[in-house]
Amino acid sequence: DAGVTQSPTHLIKTRGQHVTLRCSPISGHKSVSWYQQVLGQGPQFIFQYYEKEERGRGNFPDRFSARQFPNYSSELNVNALLLGDSALYLCASSWGLNTGELFFGEGSRLTVL
Amino acid sequence: EDKVVQSPLSLVVHEGDTVTLNCSYEVTNFRSLLWYKQEKKAPTFLFMLTSSGIEKKSGRLSSILDKKELFSILNITATQTGDSAIYLCATSFTGADGLTFGKGTHLIIQP
Repeated sequence: DAGVTQSPTHLIKTRGQHVTLRCSPISGHKSVSWYQQVLGQGPQFIFQYYEKEERGRGNFPDRFSARQFPNYSSELNVNALLLGDSALYLCASSWGLNTGELFFGEGSRLTVL
Repeated sequence: EDKVVQSPLSLVVHEGDTVTLNCSYEVTNFRSLLWYKQEKKAPTFLFMLTSSGIEKKSGRLSSILDKKELFSILNITATQTGDSAIYLCATSFTGADGLTFGKGTHLIIQP
């Protein structure tokens, strides 16, 4: 079975641009979470979606938004990119809410110049 | 203020050594503590701990939680070069969203 898949794996943007990152969860998993990992730090929670509804939000500005589709895949959108948005963006899936372990994808490495 | 604190932040040992990694956390509404291994990109799940004093074991890795003293340890015995990675500790809290991660311990195993 395929694990959590994310695309693109790497991308370079300039300040002010917009980016969309995509995630497909493990088959049967209904919850998707997004995390930002800056170099040298642990992942930081951005959003959690379950059954297409936002169920949790971390301390990130409104430039960050996300959604979950009927097939449980998800998109993370970041507007008006800043240099500080450069990071590894990790998607994680689980079969339900608060069900313990998360299964992470390989991440999307975003560089903002 | 960090809610999850890992120590040491980096550690270099020789193959065959035993290592102990530490994770302390805040108490408010604690639900569970998880350990992950991150080699390149995707963190991979190691253990989830919810009860105090019960050791979880997987091969050469083991972990235990102390809910009274608010910490967990991850032990790796007979280390191998393949154990080189960043080990992340994360906690979940009732009423809070998502997992809260520590900064990780960067473990390097020298041959």
